[in-house]
Amino acid sequence: EVHLVESGGGLVQPGGSLRLSCVASGFTFSSYWMSWVRQAPGKGLEWVANIKQDGGEKYYVDSVKGRFTVSRDNAKNSLFLQMNSLRAEDTAVYYCVRLAARQALDYWGQGTLVTVSS
Amino acid sequence: QSVLTQPPSVSAAPGQKVTISCSGSSSNIGKNYVSWYQQLPGTAPKLLIYDNNKRPSGIPDRFSGSKSGTSATLGITGLQTGDEADYYCGTWDSSLIAGVFGGGTKLTVL
Repeated sequence: EVHLVESGGGLVQPGGSLRLSCVASGFTFSSYWMSWVRQAPGKGLEWVANIKQDGGEKYYVDSVKGRFTVSRDNAKNSLFLQMNSLRAEDTAVYYCVRLAARQALDYWGQGTLVTVSS
Repeated sequence: QSVLTQPPSVSAAPGQKVTISCSGSSSNIGKNYVSWYQQLPGTAPKLLIYDNNKRPSGIPDRFSGSKSGTSATLGITGLQTGDEADYYCGTWDSSLIAGVFGGGTKLTVL
């Protein structure tokens, strides 16, 4: 059974940094693209980033380019999101998601809440 | 403002059928496959439909998807109270080089 478990969320001041982690199990992690998707409180889904199986291709939503970095460690079945220069509008639940073919997000973690506030 | 446009809400009685539309453009729906997601209150989203009209294992055939041009539609028949949720369409945008979602549609089963 596929499991994705995020961690690393919390309260951070504007301008601060946070690193989210996601541990995957139940499938061959190195064979899949992975994604981060976020959801601000009471709002809809927003795609954040994709990373290829070997980490060689990465894509980001414009609002996080230059501030967020997605990475992975296939040996540890882990996905990461390094978030710098955080803003209030980055406040959201961040989901780690497995990306099947053609942008179908087929398995989601339970999410981790990031709150950016002074 | 979402790249894909969905109605904010739809409603229907138990047992009835409802459709949810998702409108995009030639760079997203017009060029790529569409997925649909169901988000029950307080839970993570779940994949409902992929590749425009395919259902993952375990998704009942009451749920269906279709695509025509730059629009997609999710259909739900035999509505149940347990179907009350937020529904999102999503795809890739080849011009933005980014994933995109609709703003979500809240389904109420009256």
